[in-house]
Amino acid sequence: EPEVTQTPSHQVTQMGQEVILRCVPISNHLYFYWYRQILGQKVEFLVSFYNNEISEKSEIFDDQFSVERPDGSNFTLKIRSTKLEDSAMYFCASRRQEGLSDTQYFGPGTRLTVL
Amino acid sequence: AQSVTQPDIHITVSEGASLELRCNYSYGATPYLFWYVQSPGQGLQLLLKYFSGDTLVQGIKGFEAEFKRSQSSFNLRKPSVHWSDAAEYFCAVGARDSSYKLIFGSGTRLLVRP
Repeated sequence: EPEVTQTPSHQVTQMGQEVILRCVPISNHLYFYWYRQILGQKVEFLVSFYNNEISEKSEIFDDQFSVERPDGSNFTLKIRSTKLEDSAMYFCASRRQEGLSDTQYFGPGTRLTVL
Repeated sequence: AQSVTQPDIHITVSEGASLELRCNYSYGATPYLFWYVQSPGQGLQLLLKYFSGDTLVQGIKGFEAEFKRSQSSFNLRKPSVHWSDAAEYFCAVGARDSSYKLIFGSGTRLLVRP
């Protein structure tokens, strides 16, 4: 069964450094998402991406964050200058078509630790 | 605003016992509702979803959920829990906006006693 993959599984970085989290969505999917889960808290929406542009972003997704689909298969989340509070599990998700009836498939997550 | 509440942070049940995880939502129209499970070190796996029709929804791994509009609830049930069901369970509502994002509850961690 096709699945969403994410790399790396764990990333440790120093505060102020840039990180890029990578995701490979399911191949025929068109809608892409990033969510994050701070330890012990709920999963929160960060951003959605469709047709090579952001369709919605949350308040969390400030100017330090960016997303890109550079080559038609990867979907990346970049944090320009990490802060301690960016430490979280980051999940990528994708769906095939428009509408809530279509399932969002999640990747296994990247645990980001900012020191 | 849409929101989801899972009132139980932890639940412990004995293997073979029945399970009910509570979920309450706040949404103006008929909601799209989901239950996801997260096993340790794993991503979020969809257990079941409700859009319309029969209010009792069957999912994978023997789980079911019942949509009750009058109570704004979508509780997850399983008649007999297995040790492998120990995980974190998230209820979510789908947002009917341009992104169709999911809004999650805070999760319920299920522990299973041998």
